[in-house]
Amino acid sequence: QSALTQPASVSGSPGQSITISCTGTNSDIGGYNYVSWYQQHPDRAPKLLIYDVTNRPSGLSNRFSASKSGNTASLTISGLQAEDEADYYCSSYTGTSTLVVFGGGTRLTVL
Amino acid sequence: QVQLVQSGAEVKKPGASVKLSCKTSGYSFTTYYIHWVRQAPGQGLEWMGFINPNRGSTNYAQKFQGRVTMTSDTSTSTVYMELSSLRSEDTAGYYCARDRIPIGEVAAGHTCGIWGQGTMVTVSS
Repeated sequence: QSALTQPASVSGSPGQSITISCTGTNSDIGGYNYVSWYQQHPDRAPKLLIYDVTNRPSGLSNRFSASKSGNTASLTISGLQAEDEADYYCSSYTGTSTLVVFGGGTRLTVL
Repeated sequence: QVQLVQSGAEVKKPGASVKLSCKTSGYSFTTYYIHWVRQAPGQGLEWMGFINPNRGSTNYAQKFQGRVTMTSDTSTSTVYMELSSLRSEDTAGYYCARDRIPIGEVAAGHTCGIWGQGTMVTVSS
């Protein structure tokens, strides 16, 4: 199972919005509504941001939102803040013997 | 609160095995899958598999089948992950993570909800 495809990097200024894409296939993103997004700051464990395509865990800022269209999922961060600077990973359920696949990660730089 | 505390860093020689632990607390241990995910230095996340701590049943990523063994100890609420035939490419941080929802629910096994702090494994001669 190949990794999902994400842009290596994105950037934005404080207060702006950015969108990170995550492209898969009909066997993962396109086949199931089980896309998750994670945030990882340097030398820290990942943190769940989004599950089941669009849902935020309790207590998470509504500046984070997500969607899916066909084989591509997207994470949008609005009102960028300095603390949003981190790596972001998407993942999807696959229904194969490798049940979960991650994207390669996107580094967000807040200018 | 829910916590997953992992064992300390390991240095191993090529060909050896390593066994990592993940001690959980703050919830019913047998109710949630535990995933293992690894991250090579400067690289992305890679899902290795998960275990049902109650039954001991496992689901391994195809890449690791035959080389990984996940086990659980219900008496100590601890999950273990053993990786054998280590090579330099196995140098990575290894994370355990509790699934987001209880076993038996529709989307169980799909999402890593709460993560441990990670364990660094270095494979070097």
